[in-house]
Amino acid sequence: RKEVEQDPGPFNVPEGATVAFNCTYSNSASQSFFWYRQDCRKEPKLLMSVYSSGNEDGRFTAQLNRASQYISLLIRDSKLSDSATYLCGSGGGNYKLSFGAGTTVTVRA
Amino acid sequence: GEEVAQTPKHLVRGEGQKAKLYCAPIKGHSYVFWYQQVLKNEFKFLISFQNENVFDETGMPKERFSAKCLPNSPCSLEIQATKLEDSAVYFCASSQSEGEQFFGPGTRLTVL
Repeated sequence: RKEVEQDPGPFNVPEGATVAFNCTYSNSASQSFFWYRQDCRKEPKLLMSVYSSGNEDGRFTAQLNRASQYISLLIRDSKLSDSATYLCGSGGGNYKLSFGAGTTVTVRA
Repeated sequence: GEEVAQTPKHLVRGEGQKAKLYCAPIKGHSYVFWYQQVLKNEFKFLISFQNENVFDETGMPKERFSAKCLPNSPCSLEIQATKLEDSAVYFCASSQSEGEQFFGPGTRLTVL
């Protein structure tokens, strides 16, 4: 079983829509969680860290559910520029990150 | 610097040749990580360093891969006798501690 699993999508949404997707992790000892955004095989760029209490950054909201071992990302009022692959990262032992295969989001005009 | 720097951007090698990739972490970051990304966005952790010391090498294919981080030099990842399956994008990331990692632009290695 992979350490981090994501729905690959694609999620095709119109501009202005809300889109949400999850990522599950198998290592119950994982302590840190992140959402990264990756465009066209460029480097992953940190979107946000995910805290136990959940966090919000503008149109983006991340939640952590430890009991069910998943994190979620919600994007409100989607923009064309939100089209990307969203990678979920889970930090286990020794600081290394395990990544999911990514969820592709395409926002159409 | 303010960003993780990686060189070269692209590297093409014939099977059996050596490949060497470089990474300069963000100034002040103690941890350096190497990841390999192959098709379908699968990331594989290779190795990490805390300053010059190997921190975790559980992901390294020991036979042909080696890595170093020496004082006052970029970190390096070297692949001896490359194989077709080594074709991938190799990302370096750095962090201050456990937490957010910041990635460099990657080196795309193509083995022919």
